[in-house]
Amino acid sequence: EVQLLESGGGLIQPGGSLRLSCAASGFAFGTYAMSWVRQAPGKGLEWVSTVGSGGTRYYADSVKGRFTVSRDNSKNTLYLQMNTLRADDTAVYYCAKARGMISWRFDYWGQGTLVAVSS
Amino acid sequence: SYVLTQPPSVSVAPGLTATIPCGGNNIGSKSVHWYQQRPGQAPVLVVYDNSDRPSGIPERFSGSNSGNTATLTISTVEDGDEADYYCQVWENTSDHPGVFGGGTKLTVL
Repeated sequence: EVQLLESGGGLIQPGGSLRLSCAASGFAFGTYAMSWVRQAPGKGLEWVSTVGSGGTRYYADSVKGRFTVSRDNSKNTLYLQMNTLRADDTAVYYCAKARGMISWRFDYWGQGTLVAVSS
Repeated sequence: SYVLTQPPSVSVAPGLTATIPCGGNNIGSKSVHWYQQRPGQAPVLVVYDNSDRPSGIPERFSGSNSGNTATLTISTVEDGDEADYYCQVWENTSDHPGVFGGGTKLTVL
C-alpha cells in the first residue's frame, strides 16, 4: 500500500524558513517523480514543485528562488526547503507521487501538513 | 503560462448526469487529469490521460477531451459525489509545467 506522510509544518513568522518532509512507503520511491502541491485556506490546488527520478527540478513562478525541492532515495523521503516565507505561502502542503509517460499525473497524495505564515 | 478555466460551481440532482468542463487553448492536444476532493480530505485521482480510470474508481466517472474543452462526466450522480473537482495538465515544454484548473464545486441537489 502506497503511503505518503508529510511533516514539518507549523506557524512561522514572515521571512522565516521551514523544511517539510514526506516519508514514502509501499512503492519504489527512487523510480518515480515526486511533487509538492499546496492549497491556501478556501482556495484551489496550486502546483508548487516536482523533482524527477533523475533529479531534474521544476518550480512554480510563485516559489522559484525561495523554495528548494530535494529527495533522499536512501531514506525514501522528499523534502521542501522553504525560505523567505510570506503570508501568501500559508497553505496545506501535500506531497504527491507522480507518474505518466508523457503527462505526469499525481496518483497518490499524502494528507497534507499546514504551514501558517503570520506575525 | 498555460491556463485552465473551470466554472466555480455545477449543480445536479441525484441520479442525473453531471458534466464539468475544463477550458484551455487547444487542450485537445494535451493529456488531462481529473481529481476529486471531498471537504477536509486530500485529492483523489479519478480520471487520467483524458479518459482512463484508476483502479477502484467507479465507471460512472468518465472523461473526454477535444478542441478547447476537456470534460469530466459523472453519470447517475450520488450524494457522495458532492466535492470539488480539479483538472490538471503537465506542460512538458514549460519551466513551470504543473497546471491546475481553479476547481469546480459539484453540488448534489
